[in-house]
Amino acid sequence: ELQLVESGGGLVQPGGSLRLSCAASGFTVSSNYMTWVRKAPGKGLEWVSVIYSAGNTYYADSVKGRFTISGDSSKNTMYLQMSSLRTDDTAVYYCATNSGGSAYLFFDCWGQGTLVTVSS
Amino acid sequence: DIVMTQSPESLAVSLGERATINCRSSQSVLYSSDNNNYLAWYQQKPGQPPKLIIYWASTRESGVPDRFSGSGSGTDFTLTISSLQAEDVAVYYCQQYYRTPLTFGGGTKVEV
Repeated sequence: ELQLVESGGGLVQPGGSLRLSCAASGFTVSSNYMTWVRKAPGKGLEWVSVIYSAGNTYYADSVKGRFTISGDSSKNTMYLQMSSLRTDDTAVYYCATNSGGSAYLFFDCWGQGTLVTVSS
Repeated sequence: DIVMTQSPESLAVSLGERATINCRSSQSVLYSSDNNNYLAWYQQKPGQPPKLIIYWASTRESGVPDRFSGSGSGTDFTLTISSLQAEDVAVYYCQQYYRTPLTFGGGTKVEV
């Protein structure tokens, strides 16, 4: 069974940093296109970043230059390194993938999410 | 960026009645080389992650009840719930995957 489990969320001050993890089971992270999507309180879903199996990475303009997505094959885990955090980064962060290993960026496998709160 | 606009923002439907949600993209998400619309629909309930219900604009995800259907092409799309059940109360989002940045609609809250 495919499963994604996020961790690493928490309370951080504005300007601070945090690293989110997304541990995968039932498939190989390096073989799939993996993404981060967030949902801020009272708002809709917002795409954050994607990493392709070939290693290409793409970011939303709102996080470009501040967030870095990466993968570790040895741990079968994807990461989101977040720096220069702002209050409007406060959200539940979900990792997701296409379980069939498709290159098409719709997502049928999601983690339960991890809450990031940026506040002083 | 491709902007996704959903309407209405919220919708109250009686049990057993039809619910219709619209999604419009600021540019076509129909890819001419494969004739596919790069459009997905998700359902999200409070405290849960999104759940994929439709992809390629009209292909129902495995296990999704057939009361859910998707239609449309190019820039205009519709998600229809033919006979609303209590468990369908949720927020529904469209998403284009034609190009990055991936973009979602603002969401439509479906209530009874």
